[in-house]
This record gives sequence, C-alpha cells and structure tokens, in this order.
Amino acid sequence: EAGVTQFPSHSVIEKGQTVTLRCDPISGHDNLYWYRRVMGKEIKFLLHFVKESKQDESGMPNNRFLAERTGGTYSTLKVQPAELEDSGVYFCASSQDLRERAGELFFGEGSRLTVL
Amino acid sequence: AQSVAQPEDQVNVAEGNPLTVKCTYSVSGNPYLFWYVQYPNRGLQFLLKYITGDNLVKGSYGFEAEFNKSQTSFHLKKPSALVSDSALYFCAVSGTASKLTFGTGTRLQVTL
Repeated sequence: EAGVTQFPSHSVIEKGQTVTLRCDPISGHDNLYWYRRVMGKEIKFLLHFVKESKQDESGMPNNRFLAERTGGTYSTLKVQPAELEDSGVYFCASSQDLRERAGELFFGEGSRLTVL
Repeated sequence: AQSVAQPEDQVNVAEGNPLTVKCTYSVSGNPYLFWYVQYPNRGLQFLLKYITGDNLVKGSYGFEAEFNKSQTSFHLKKPSALVSDSALYFCAVSGTASKLTFGTGTRLQVTL
C-alpha cells in the first residue's frame, strides 16, 4: 500500500513568488492534515480536511496560504506571495475515520520550502 | 489552549542502557497523548498513544510511555536502547484526537 506522498520534496523560491505543494494521502483516508515545522521548532497544525471540507483551518497563518482538496482526494497548499518566514518543512498527514485509530496519523516525508 | 514541552533537545544513551525521553503537557479536559518518531529523511511515524485506561502504554519497537496525571507528564521509555533507535522523537497532545499539538522534538542518540 502506498503511503502519503508529497511533492516537491524541496522547493527554493524567491520572496514574492508562488509555490504550490501537493499531498496525496493514503487511499481511503478521509482525514487529511497539513502541518509545518519552522527552523527546528515545534510542528504546528495548519488545517484539517474531512474529505473535501475544511474541518478546522485555525492554524493557517494568514491569507497568503490557500489549501484545497477538490474531490476529497489529493490536496494542494499554495503560498502566494511567499515571505521569508514561510521557510520550513510542510508535512501532510492522513488518517482513517475510525474512532479506535483516532490521532494515528500517517505522515509524508515533507516538502522543504526555502524562501530567499 | 493545548501545549507540549519537551525539555531536552537531545538525549544521549549507550546501547543496552534504559532510555527516557521527557514530555509534559497542558490541555483542557482529558488528554489524548501521543509519541511519534522521525527517522532521517522519513515522515513521522506513530509509536504509541494514551487515551484512557492503563497508565502504562506499550507501543512499537519495544517503546512504552507512562501517563502521570498529577505531573501532567507522558515520558517515553525503553528498557534497553538500540543504535537503530537513534531518531527524532515528538510528543503530541490533543483534547479531541483530531488536532494534535506537537512539541519541539528530542533527538535521541544511541551509541555503542
């Protein structure tokens, strides 16, 4: 079974440019999450999709960030325009919608974003 | 608000010795507590969790964690460390198990 895949693995862009990160969750996982780790700090929650609906987007830092999950399959996270403080590793995770598996997330390897 | 503190940036232990990675938490209501591990160039992997029941939780690769409500702690332990356990360990807490709050991570270095 394929795991959570993220693309690109590393992106280097200049301040003001746009970047789109993609996440393909494990097939059948309704829950999809985006997290971010900046400069070796804690991994911070960005948002949570259930199928195509945004269940919780309280962690999105500002309106330069836009996440979508059309059709309830893969998700994209767009940063436009990128700022220096957006640099970090963006993790995607997915999980089954089973009570006994609550909180057991399957993470991708992350997309490292460097904004110069 | 919920939060996690991992007071040690790095823990060093010799192979065969017991290891402890510390975690304290703050959350409203009953906590859901988790440990995840990240090996180099890999995504985070679920190790174990506490939701309710026995305070000692057993997980993958021989790891266990003890929930201590009075000390609001959830320390990760293993009786005998292996070099292959060297990795980055993250503690996480949630009040609902749908939105996890992670700590800053603790790097475990196991040497021969």
